[in-house]
Amino acid sequence: AQSVTQLGSHVSVSEGALVLLRCNYSSSVPPYLFWYVQYPNQGLQLLLKYTSAATLVKGINGFEAEFKKSETSFHLTKPSAHMSDAAEYFCAVSESGNTPLVFGKGTRLSVIA
Amino acid sequence: DAGITQSPRHKVTETGTPVTLRCHQTENHRYMYWYRQDPGHGLRLIHYSYGVKDTDKGEVSDGYSVSRSKTEDFLLTLESATSSQTSVYFCAISGRGLVTEAFFGQGTRLTVV
Repeated sequence: AQSVTQLGSHVSVSEGALVLLRCNYSSSVPPYLFWYVQYPNQGLQLLLKYTSAATLVKGINGFEAEFKKSETSFHLTKPSAHMSDAAEYFCAVSESGNTPLVFGKGTRLSVIA
Repeated sequence: DAGITQSPRHKVTETGTPVTLRCHQTENHRYMYWYRQDPGHGLRLIHYSYGVKDTDKGEVSDGYSVSRSKTEDFLLTLESATSSQTSVYFCAISGRGLVTEAFFGQGTRLTVV
């Protein structure tokens, strides 16, 4: 069965610092992986997705993630945090194109001025 | 928001009453999903649909039923609401192309008193 583990329910960084949000997955087949962002009182918005085309995936708002099969990881990074990045971030896995996504429990990112 | 409308957006109901939440899409996507979001649990799949009249259970389906009589509408019914069903409910759609992300609605905040 698929599963996702997000390390750290809350991460706090200073404005301008590196953002690193960790995601490890478990899947019996090559996975499709996604990062979503949720701003307060809103739905989820896709940041980026991995579908086996390239291991380094670039998304919106300057975020990127690298798929590492040997580590079963798909960590999300951004070189320089901005105040507007404060939100909750969810990693998700799917075993095929349209099977339901399985989500991690989320990581709340705070950005300190 | 990819043409997804959830209604109502907020609802307060009493324990033991039936409640129906509606998800309407204008994207003609094949797949539709209902998730619930609770602090510390991320998003958990309740039910999903892979076509008109074709539905299946998710991780937390007890106490919920769904119906999809038209491509554009997916209804979630709480047969007899309980306080444990107080949550934020999200509808999502997917299905255009071989591998697609899910697009989410704005959510319905349900309080059972």
